[in-house]
Amino acid sequence: DGGITQSPKYLFRKEGQNVTLSCEQNLNHDAMYWYRQDPGQGLRLIYYSQIVNDFQKGDIAEGYSVSREKKESFPLTVTSAQKNPTAFYLCASNGAGGWDEQFFGPGTRLTVL
Amino acid sequence: AQSVSQHNHHVILSEAASLELGCNYSYGGTVNLFWYVQYPGQHLQLLLKYFSGDPLVKGIKGFEAEFIKSKFSFNLRKPSVQWSDTAEYFCAVNASGGYQKVTFGIGTKLQVIP
Repeated sequence: DGGITQSPKYLFRKEGQNVTLSCEQNLNHDAMYWYRQDPGQGLRLIYYSQIVNDFQKGDIAEGYSVSREKKESFPLTVTSAQKNPTAFYLCASNGAGGWDEQFFGPGTRLTVL
Repeated sequence: AQSVSQHNHHVILSEAASLELGCNYSYGGTVNLFWYVQYPGQHLQLLLKYFSGDPLVKGIKGFEAEFIKSKFSFNLRKPSVQWSDTAEYFCAVNASGGYQKVTFGIGTKLQVIP
């Protein structure tokens, strides 16, 4: 069954701790994305990667970091520098060119206490 | 920079009512347009897309959208909604040709009352 998996579904962390969100895809897609979804703000792009070992900042990259060591994996680290980390995080991917529809994972809800 | 406006943030309809959700974008060049839907507890998924050709696009579950270039609009329509259409709907746009990041609207929550 092809798709995108994100784990965990719910994540709780204490303020000041870094946390890494997992995203894996078996769709053989080149491009992968991380979005943050907040009520009333839609989806905002955090980081994206068009190819392995390459990634670019999106609109709200401050306080986040990513890596793309494998085609199928694009983990997101929420660092202690992120001022308002509590949110719903969505990972997505699409094929070569990056202009076609995106396929989304189920999301991770991060709560920082 | 491209932007997307969704004018209806929360819509409540009775079953069998007609639906039209507005979406306007700002970008001077050629665009690809999308509507995504997020049903409660489910993944965000594609409802329909427009790249070129016939400006009236049909998607899943009886939805359609019309691209009107002169108005920079891509409104979503359904003639008769069902309770199962209760969801959040997102309009999205990217510049066509090569890689361009997608910009999403803030979403419209649709609640259909039985």
